[in-house]
Amino acid sequence: DVKVTQSSRYLVKRTGEKVFLECVQDMDHENMFWYRQDPGLGLRLIYFSYDVKMKEKGDIPEGYSVSREKKERFSLILESASTNQTSMYLCASSVRGTSKYIQYFGAGTRLSVL
Amino acid sequence: AQTVTQSQPEMSVQEAETVTLSCTYDTSESDYYLFWYKQPPSRQMILVIRQEAYKQQNATENRFSVNFQKAAKSFSLKISDSQLGDAAMYFCAYRSAISNAGNMLTFGGGTRLMVKP
Repeated sequence: DVKVTQSSRYLVKRTGEKVFLECVQDMDHENMFWYRQDPGLGLRLIYFSYDVKMKEKGDIPEGYSVSREKKERFSLILESASTNQTSMYLCASSVRGTSKYIQYFGAGTRLSVL
Repeated sequence: AQTVTQSQPEMSVQEAETVTLSCTYDTSESDYYLFWYKQPPSRQMILVIRQEAYKQQNATENRFSVNFQKAAKSFSLKISDSQLGDAAMYFCAYRSAISNAGNMLTFGGGTRLMVKP
């Protein structure tokens, strides 16, 4: 089975802190994604990566950056956390270029910024 | 840009009965994929069912089936013989079949399904 692991289930940070959210997948997937989940808004794409060191902005990239130095690891970075970044963050991965196309998700990280 | 709308924030169903979750989408494309994802209280999202727009036949997976109406841009999920384990958030999602779309999914706002014993 595909496994997507997010390093923390719950995280509490202070305004202005630099925050790293880590995601690791074990199925050699090319694509990796970071979403933000808020009630009533569903999931919104922050960034995705289709290869090592490659990244593309999603719908809401402002205030976030990402890093993909190794194929299995995709990090989301909040350079200076703000209270409006309190949310649930979900990582996902998928094979690239297949018509079957399924995204596999991690369990999520609930981030609170105080 | 595509949008996906789930008009029912919450639904409830009696155990063993049938429930239908609604989803509509807006797109100018003719080839795309539609998905229903389930997020149980433990929060790991899993795929429930998938539909290719070029297929007229509605997808089914055991107790789960869809009613895909391409002209109406509607994609509802029917759960038959509801079980307590079906209680979850359900998300409808859209993906363009255009290769340079980056394999991105567009999600609806979600429907919370409660199952009453």
